[in-house]
Amino acid sequence: GAVVSQHPSRVICKSGTSVKIECRSLDFQATTMFWYRQFPKQSLMLMATSNEGSKATYEQGVEKDKFLINHASLTLSTLTVTSAHPEDSSFYICSARDLAPRVDGQYFGPGTRLTVT
Amino acid sequence: AQSVTQPDIHITVSEGASLELRCNYSYGATPYLFWYVQSPGQGLQLLLKYFSGDTLVQGIKGFEAEFKRSQSSFNLRKPSVHWSDAAEYFCAVGSYSGGGADGLTFGKGTHLIIQP
Repeated sequence: GAVVSQHPSRVICKSGTSVKIECRSLDFQATTMFWYRQFPKQSLMLMATSNEGSKATYEQGVEKDKFLINHASLTLSTLTVTSAHPEDSSFYICSARDLAPRVDGQYFGPGTRLTVT
Repeated sequence: AQSVTQPDIHITVSEGASLELRCNYSYGATPYLFWYVQSPGQGLQLLLKYFSGDTLVQGIKGFEAEFKRSQSSFNLRKPSVHWSDAAEYFCAVGSYSGGGADGLTFGKGTHLIIQP
């Protein structure tokens, strides 16, 4: 149980275009999902917290107009990288917190490798 | 602000030897601590977590960790490593808000290499 999927797993796009990444909780409901970014051989940095039915909360330094987050249902959150540039190339990882109250932390998706050319 | 320090970027251990990965945290309240493992091309897998109670926690794959408040540490240990343990290990800290952990702060990770 507690599986989180991400789609696509890899994407290559041209500079200036937008890319949407989906994060789904497959066997549980998640009112809260988190988006992280991981640069090569570095740690994960929290970008934003996504709450179902409300606006996302962005961490300091993260451009909310560039990284659009939508959490339209209890099982789906999307991250759209708008007007992507090569510096946005990174590994994007989502995690989801189970609606059922338990002290289990977060369940992580497998990540999406974005390459902007 | 909360932070996590993993002082060892790389650690090399012989197969069958014991392992200890260090983690120090800075957090204003009772921390919610985690160890995750990330294999190449794989997502993060939770090894163990600590929120309260017994300060020695057992996890999956034979790992354990000990929470030491006085040292602000949460070191990960395994008595005998296997070649399959080679991976990147991340320590993380977060706050707990009723339904679970909030967004986590991760350390930079420790790359574990297993020698035959």
